[in-house]
Amino acid sequence: QQQVKQSPQSLIVQKGGISIINCAYENTAFDYFPWYQQFPGKGPALLIAIRPDVSEKKEGRFTISFNKSAKQFSLHIMDSQPGDSATYFCAALSGYQKVTFGTGTKLQVIP
Amino acid sequence: DAGITQSPRHKVTETGTPVTLRCHQTENHRYMYWYRQDPGHGLRLIHYSYGVKDTDKGEVSDGYSVSRSKTEDFLLTLESATSSQTSVYFCAISPGTVGTGELFFGEGSRLTVL
Repeated sequence: QQQVKQSPQSLIVQKGGISIINCAYENTAFDYFPWYQQFPGKGPALLIAIRPDVSEKKEGRFTISFNKSAKQFSLHIMDSQPGDSATYFCAALSGYQKVTFGTGTKLQVIP
Repeated sequence: DAGITQSPRHKVTETGTPVTLRCHQTENHRYMYWYRQDPGHGLRLIHYSYGVKDTDKGEVSDGYSVSRSKTEDFLLTLESATSSQTSVYFCAISPGTVGTGELFFGEGSRLTVL
């Protein structure tokens, strides 16, 4: 049973466009929501994260939007670049630093 | 880059044989994790440790055991490997800073069970 549901599974975006990845969760015990970026052959790396008492967090071209009542959050990548092509994972933190990941979205940004 | 070393990086083994993957860290972080990554499933937690000799199960722990006798080492053992355990295994560490959810991952160990 996937505790963090992520969509879409894959995404193709033109250079300069906006990439949007959505996630939903059920467990209200989650108390922090990070996003990870993974390039082929590498381990995932933290990209940006948000607390549930904040509705939006922006870092450069990356923005997380958080809707606590709907138990949904999303990653927006503005002005997408070919270098952003990677797999993105949403995640949720609970308990003993226990991090639960979504199923991942493979993003391809085409020139 | 966080000082995390996984070994071996690649391994091919046969069904029924025991396999041990090692994760070594030089960061002195309290928390260590083993995840497996499979297409369509993302990253799934196998086991994690919140201190020496303190471990707990994750969501896909059946068929796996772990040990942590030193802060720097976290071992994942497949007692009798099966083809369903063919996967890429990632070790991760965390200092446990409250409320960040930040994990630092190793480069992964690709295991093929024939």
